[in-house]
Amino acid sequence: QLQLQESGPGLVKPSETLFLTCTVSGGSISTTRYYWGWIRQPPGKGLEWIGSIFYSGSTYYNPSLKSRVTISVDTSKNQFSLNLTSVTAADTAVFYCAKMTTTLYPTDSWGQGILVTVSS
Amino acid sequence: QAGLTQPPSVSKALRQTATLTCTGNSNNVGNQGAGWLQQHQGHPPKLLSYRNNDRPSGISERFSASRSGNTASLTITGLQAEDEADYYCSAWDSSLNSVVFGGGTKLTVL
Repeated sequence: QLQLQESGPGLVKPSETLFLTCTVSGGSISTTRYYWGWIRQPPGKGLEWIGSIFYSGSTYYNPSLKSRVTISVDTSKNQFSLNLTSVTAADTAVFYCAKMTTTLYPTDSWGQGILVTVSS
Repeated sequence: QAGLTQPPSVSKALRQTATLTCTGNSNNVGNQGAGWLQQHQGHPPKLLSYRNNDRPSGISERFSASRSGNTASLTITGLQAEDEADYYCSAWDSSLNSVVFGGGTKLTVL
């Protein structure tokens, strides 16, 4: 059974860069059937898509975050990563990684989520 | 960024039927369809319906999705206490070139 697990620091200082990794187990990230995505949820608020990546490295980003976001993939480690620069308190959220269809719809595979707080 | 519109809250009695709506436009729901997710407090979202309205394996038949024009709907029959959760719709927006989510509907089962 496919499992996704987010990892990274739970606390990031304002203006610094947030870096998270999603490790995929129970299946290969190098598949033509799916994209891999990052979605966040500020405390008490709704879901926001950050971006998605194909195993080949092809990416789609949320236009509102595009200038600050980079998503990369490491097929040798079966991982994909999120880089979010110049963070502020507004970036405090639970970050989820998820498997997505090739038409970029969420599927039934999500990580448990990781809370990242932006604070000095 | 424009998203999808969902009513913030819906309340229904136990064993009744709830219909949750998700309104978009011809660039997203109307053309691409909507997926539905359920989220209990403190847990990751769980997929209830793909954009073609099919249910993933293991999802109860009490959950059914449909679409009419630019509005997608999720109908939950025979409401149970465990159905009390937040429900989100999502779609690809071909104009924005972005995934968009609804703001979520909090379903209360009375």
